[in-house]
Amino acid sequence: AQSVTQLDSHVSVSEGTPVLLRCNYSSSYSPSLFWYVQHPNKGLQLLLKYTSAATLVKGINGFEAEFKKSETSFHLTKPSAHMSDAAEYFCVVSDNRSGNTGKLIFGQGTTLQVKP
Amino acid sequence: DTEVTQTPKHLVMGMTNKKSLKCEQHMGHRAMYWYKQKAKKPPELMFVYSYEKLSINESVPSRFSPECPNSSLLNLHLHALQPEDSALYLCASSQVDNEKLFFGSGTQLSVL
Repeated sequence: AQSVTQLDSHVSVSEGTPVLLRCNYSSSYSPSLFWYVQHPNKGLQLLLKYTSAATLVKGINGFEAEFKKSETSFHLTKPSAHMSDAAEYFCVVSDNRSGNTGKLIFGQGTTLQVKP
Repeated sequence: DTEVTQTPKHLVMGMTNKKSLKCEQHMGHRAMYWYKQKAKKPPELMFVYSYEKLSINESVPSRFSPECPNSSLLNLHLHALQPEDSALYLCASSQVDNEKLFFGSGTQLSVL
């Protein structure tokens, strides 16, 4: 079975400092992994997607994530946090089993707080 | 146009009411989805439509009835809901067999 575990429910950083949001995955197949962001009272926006090409994936708004198979991790990073980055972040794995195309499995989410 | 539009944005309904949520996209996507999201929780998949046919129903109670009248529209008909059904209902779309989903902003539903 596939699953994702977000290791921190809440992360607080100061504006201008690096961001690290941690995610571990479990998958019987070669996984497709995603990070989505959700601002308050909004829908979800795709930040980036890994699909077995480059292990370092660059996304929007300066975010990137590195796929590490040996550690089964897909951590999200950003060199310098901005106030507008404050939001809920979801690590997601795609259920690649036959018949389940498009079924996403979400982590529990990490709330990112950015302090001025 | 890369938007998924959901209406209404907010809905308050009684347990005996019948209401419908609407979702529209014009990206040519042939897969559309309904998700339910409770506060402070991740979204939970409810239904998936592929080429206007229901392909996944995640054992959703029959008081929720989806409908996909054409390739651009997705509806969720609500009847006899319970207060615990209060949540944010998200619609999404994608190309078939493509895991990149585009989400709408959701309908915040309150059942009294």
